Amino acid sequence: GAVVSQHPSRVICKSGTSVKIECRSLDFQATTMFWYRQFPKKSLMLMATSNEGSKATYEQGVEKDKFLINHASLTLSTLTVTSAHPEDSSFYICSAQGGGRRGRSSYEQYFGPGTRLTVT
Amino acid sequence: GENVEQHPSTLSVQEGDSAVIKCTYSDSASNYFPWYKQELGKRPQLIIDIRSNVGEKKDQRIAVTLNKTAKHFSLHITETQPEDSAVYFCAATNSGYALNFGKGTSLLVTP
Repeated sequence: GAVVSQHPSRVICKSGTSVKIECRSLDFQATTMFWYRQFPKKSLMLMATSNEGSKATYEQGVEKDKFLINHASLTLSTLTVTSAHPEDSSFYICSAQGGGRRGRSSYEQYFGPGTRLTVT
Repeated sequence: GENVEQHPSTLSVQEGDSAVIKCTYSDSASNYFPWYKQELGKRPQLIIDIRSNVGEKKDQRIAVTLNKTAKHFSLHITETQPEDSAVYFCAATNSGYALNFGKGTSLLVTP
């Protein structure tokens, strides 16, 4: 099936620093990528929708200057958490949506393995 | 926007029994309803999905039903096994927009 990678899988950073998370679709071109945040034992909360070559669309309450998203190509989107604070500690997951490869629906979203961010 | 409600939040069944998880959605324009299984610390995995032009879909022990009029859809797992234990999320979306997830159901299958 479709493979989405995410890097790094875990990162620990100090308060005030910035962290970049990469999301790659390895065997298909992702027209759209989504970034989610998940707290322990909670559901996935959509942060933003990212389309290649255009600005990301952020959900209400998500600070676009704090969570910078760049979708440079059809296989790569990055999320940069700027000036991280302990409350930014969370599990960040991306998903990629591609168009109808191998007979699969273009609606399907494939998730990356997630990045566990800990801000000290 | 779309609002997806999921019940129950926790479900415990004995191995071999069936499990049913139900979701409702609010946006009549939603036309794609996937179900994801997430094991602890891992990514959500798509297990089955259904589009609005279909009322039921089955894949081995897993089935999903959709009632467009009532705006609800359900996941049915038959002959449950301990490895089915995980958190299950339903979602709804309109034609490729972002998924709106339910809050999840923690399923425990006891031997």
